Amino acid sequence: EAGVVQSPRYKIIEKKQPVAFWCNPISGHNTLYWYRQNLGQGPELLIRYENEEAVDDSQLPKDRFSAERLKGVDSTLKIQPAELGDSAVYLCASSLPFRLAGDLSYNEQFFGPGTRLTVL
Amino acid sequence: SQQGEEDPQALSIQEGENATMNCSYKTSINNLQWYRQNSGRGLVHLILIRSNEREKHSGRLRVTLDTSKKSSSLLITASRAADTASYFCATERYDYKLSFGAGTTVTVRA
Repeated sequence: EAGVVQSPRYKIIEKKQPVAFWCNPISGHNTLYWYRQNLGQGPELLIRYENEEAVDDSQLPKDRFSAERLKGVDSTLKIQPAELGDSAVYLCASSLPFRLAGDLSYNEQFFGPGTRLTVL
Repeated sequence: SQQGEEDPQALSIQEGENATMNCSYKTSINNLQWYRQNSGRGLVHLILIRSNEREKHSGRLRVTLDTSKKSSSLLITASRAADTASYFCATERYDYKLSFGAGTTVTVRA
């Protein structure tokens, strides 16, 4: 089974330019996440989709960041315009609907390899 | 903001030795998960421990959870060169949001 696919793997742009990242989740995973990982830090959630609906975008800087998942499958994350501080690895993850185990449930997230963005 | 904090930030051990890293967190959780990230790669889920569990094993991994102290530890026994990676703890809250710590970088010397 193919894992989460992301492209491009690397992107170098000058500040103020636009950039877009693409993610194709694991087949059948209706939940999709975009994370940003700064150097030396853990990932931080930007946005979570349930099918085509963005159910948590509280951490997405909406002045310059946008995301879409039009058909509830693949997703695009865009930055326009990019700033120097946007240099980071952008990770996409997907998961099945939450599984129930007794009275506790959890969702296992599967991560893609990420896109490393460098803004000059 | 990050919920978990790992300790130490970096760890260097000889092949065959055990590696222990700790994670502390701040709020109540549904479960705690450990992930591994090899250089330039995505995160791989290693093990999950629920809030009502105290210890869990998976192969050479042993995880403990102390909810009263809001802390967890990950032990890797008989380390191998392939264990060289960054290890992150991630806490899942009851709203299913996953919050990661800053990670521990482990280097296993041959």
